[in-house]
Amino acid sequence: DTEVTQTPKHLVMGMTNKKSLKCEQHMGHRAMYWYKQKAKKPPELMFVYSYEKLSINESVPSRFSPECPNSSLLNLHLHALQPEDSALYLCASSQRWGRANEKLFFGSGTQLSVL
Amino acid sequence: KQEVTQIPAALSVPEGENLVLNCSFTDSAIYNLQWFRQDPGKGLTSLLLIQSSQREQTSGRLNASLDKSSGRSTLYIAASQPGDSATYLCAVRPWEGNTPLVFGKGTRLSVIA
Repeated sequence: DTEVTQTPKHLVMGMTNKKSLKCEQHMGHRAMYWYKQKAKKPPELMFVYSYEKLSINESVPSRFSPECPNSSLLNLHLHALQPEDSALYLCASSQRWGRANEKLFFGSGTQLSVL
Repeated sequence: KQEVTQIPAALSVPEGENLVLNCSFTDSAIYNLQWFRQDPGKGLTSLLLIQSSQREQTSGRLNASLDKSSGRSTLYIAASQPGDSATYLCAVRPWEGNTPLVFGKGTRLSVIA
């Protein structure tokens, strides 16, 4: 199994809603990532988890709250988002964080629209 | 600060043509360079990873080269097909430890049947 699975594929939410994005991998990877990608732009790193601990937070607003309950799962909790947060949210994993020649495996993403 | 540039931003070619996508980076202190493919609204698929000590990598009709000293990489696609239509992203991993990938903005490729 070389897949990173993200759910849901599409999400529409209001600015007062609370929702969660989910990501799962069963490749034994111990590094997991959240990226945000706006249309026609490259992905921007948000968070890195290494061995279920938050290693990098790229100054992401607190309305985005990541969680890594175990080595296979990564969640992104959303609350009080703004319309400008509408984007494709990508999850990725790799064997280890910080290894020189790590290959990243990406999920298909969640297309988020904030109304 | 490492910056990655991809030229052209968009490219349209007839089916069957061989083509080259370009990637340049400002700091030659890198661990590796990766090429990804992204279909519209989808995630990224890793195509090729070239380590800093390597000059090229090949996979099927794809060949990626790396000239670290000049800060350049090319992705060569042979005998292009309509199914190759996608955005191709180049990303470098800087030499500093625990540093995330730095992505270029991508080249949007259309192969016309």
